Amino acid sequence: KAGVTQTPRYLIKTRGQQVTLSCSPISGHRSVSWYQQTPGQGLQFLFEYFSETQRNKGNFPGRFSGRQFSNSRSEMNVSTLELGDSALYLCASSLEGGVRSPLHFGNGTRLTVT
Amino acid sequence: KNEVEQSPQNLTAQEGEFITINCSYSVGISALHWLQQHPGGGIVSLFMLSSGKKKHGRLIATINIQEKHSSLHITASHPRDSAVYICAAEPPMDSNYQLIWGAGTKLIIKP
Repeated sequence: KAGVTQTPRYLIKTRGQQVTLSCSPISGHRSVSWYQQTPGQGLQFLFEYFSETQRNKGNFPGRFSGRQFSNSRSEMNVSTLELGDSALYLCASSLEGGVRSPLHFGNGTRLTVT
Repeated sequence: KNEVEQSPQNLTAQEGEFITINCSYSVGISALHWLQQHPGGGIVSLFMLSSGKKKHGRLIATINIQEKHSSLHITASHPRDSAVYICAAEPPMDSNYQLIWGAGTKLIIKP
């Protein structure tokens, strides 16, 4: 069974640009959640999608958005990039999300904003 | 104060040593997760537990619900165990469910 796939693996963008990251969950998983990880910080929750609906959202500005397609694949978009957006962005899928449903992480997309 | 606190923040040990990483939380939980993140960035779920103890190979996770504390132990540690270990508290299922993450413990095992 294929794991969670994130593309691209690395990305370099300039301030002010926008970026779209992609996450393909494990087959059959309906929940996809996104996290930002910066050096020295724990994972910061961005949002969770379940069956194409955003179920939860973290404390990030509106420049960060996402969506989920009918095949459970998810994308997140960051508009008007800032230097502080440089981070490792991880997505995780799970069967149902929520209680007692292990998370399966992708390898992440490392975004550098210059 | 963070709702999930891990200690120590950094830990360096010699190969073969017994390792303990601690996680304390101040919120009610339905489960606690332990995860491992290797230098490449990928995160692997190690354990999800809501009571007692779980064992997988050389890894043991325990949780004390009354004391709101969990520990991750590694027996006979090996350099390949070097990674960041993260605990995350899973709140009771409600309308705003999301995991509450610890900051991680960076473990280095020297040969």
